[in-house]
Amino acid sequence: AQKITQTQPGMFVQEKEAVTLDCTYDTSDQSYGLFWYKQPSSGEMIFLIYQGSYDEQNATEGRYSLNFQKARKSANLVISASQLGDSAMYFCAMREGSNNAGNMLTFGGGTRLMVKP
Amino acid sequence: DSGVTQTPKHLITATGQRVTLRCSPRSGDLSVYWYQQSLDQGLQFLIQYYNGEERAKGNILERFSAQQFPDLHSELNLSSLELGDSALYFCASSVDGGGNHNEQFFGPGTRLTVL
Repeated sequence: AQKITQTQPGMFVQEKEAVTLDCTYDTSDQSYGLFWYKQPSSGEMIFLIYQGSYDEQNATEGRYSLNFQKARKSANLVISASQLGDSAMYFCAMREGSNNAGNMLTFGGGTRLMVKP
Repeated sequence: DSGVTQTPKHLITATGQRVTLRCSPRSGDLSVYWYQQSLDQGLQFLIQYYNGEERAKGNILERFSAQQFPDLHSELNLSSLELGDSALYFCASSVDGGGNHNEQFFGPGTRLTVL
């Protein structure tokens, strides 16, 4: 079974509008972390936002916020006031396990976001 | 700029050859991770080193090996290369080996093309 599922291969959004990128995850661990990364066409991976499984409030970082619904096992990324520079691939990722198990990330398949002027 | 450096940026080689990819983590980071990004498999974790020792292993082929040196830089060695090894190889680093809010900072990647 997929551990991280991103069901939207591609999305369009109008400049200045908000957009939500979906991410669902599967884990039996109680302690885990969820991450979103952005990959522009240049290829680098840029960290955007983090949500811990025990965090009670949704994470926010500037125009990015994470809509964390633990019971549904979803961690959707919300980008407000989209800009042309937001056009990129977006990856949801999860870290599971304890300190001794390492810190590897499991990634979803990604969503390509295209912002229209 | 994440502070993680990778060399070379591009590498073109032939099947059966061996290559070495190099990574220098951010200053102060003790963990180095290697990931492979290909069209077929997406982004996959290969291996993690923490302060010189292997900490976790993922979907890394036996033909691949890695190490982390005392100065904390890391090398990923790929041998007996096959066409399917063509991919973007990322190195990432984080402050420690595990735990909670430790985002991984990614280098720019090495694009490997096997002909």
